[in-house]
Amino acid sequence: GAGVSQTPSNKVTEKGKYVELRCDPISGHTALYWYRQSLGQGPEFLIYFQGTGAADDSGLPNDRFFAVRPEGSVSTLKIQRTERGDSAVYLCASSRDHRRGGEQYFGPGTRLTVT
Amino acid sequence: GESVGLHLPTLSVQEGDNSIINCAYSNSASDYFIWYKQESGKGPQFIIDIRSNMDKRQGQRVTVLLNKTVKHLSLQIAATQPGDSAVYFCAENSGTYKYIFGTGTRLKVLA
Repeated sequence: GAGVSQTPSNKVTEKGKYVELRCDPISGHTALYWYRQSLGQGPEFLIYFQGTGAADDSGLPNDRFFAVRPEGSVSTLKIQRTERGDSAVYLCASSRDHRRGGEQYFGPGTRLTVT
Repeated sequence: GESVGLHLPTLSVQEGDNSIINCAYSNSASDYFIWYKQESGKGPQFIIDIRSNMDKRQGQRVTVLLNKTVKHLSLQIAATQPGDSAVYFCAENSGTYKYIFGTGTRLKVLA
């Protein structure tokens, strides 16, 4: 079956602009995660959804970042007033259920470049 | 896609040799650990996991060792193949949904 997909694969935007990054999880996976990966670093946790609700958004760096998952499937990460420091690869992962330790399947990521 | 980890520690091994990748974790309360493999332009791929009630777990060609006393985790890959070339990350979890990833090690397999 299809894995986690993310669109766009690459996004270049100007400083101050608004961007939306989309994640399509594996069908039937109730848990969804967003991570940010900077060059030379491991993925950094941003937010976790169980179903439609954000169970843990403690990793969002500030209020310019927001994520939704209105129907418990597709999720959108939204970044307002982008800054050059937001440039990174944004990864999405999903897992079958909410149990801690459930195997996460990652998408290929969206590479965001803020100029 | 993005090239991950241009400045990562690098381990170079000859094809057919065994590889050992090490990871020091930070939280003594962490009780679940995962090793991931990340190829250029792709997301991390699950390799093997281990819970803190174990000190060793084996998969196909891979073994994870956990030493809780010194908070150290290692991934051993037997008979390393060119397809094993990638960046490897360990991740720890301490009972929340948040996984903390290490900085990774780049494995280069020499023909």
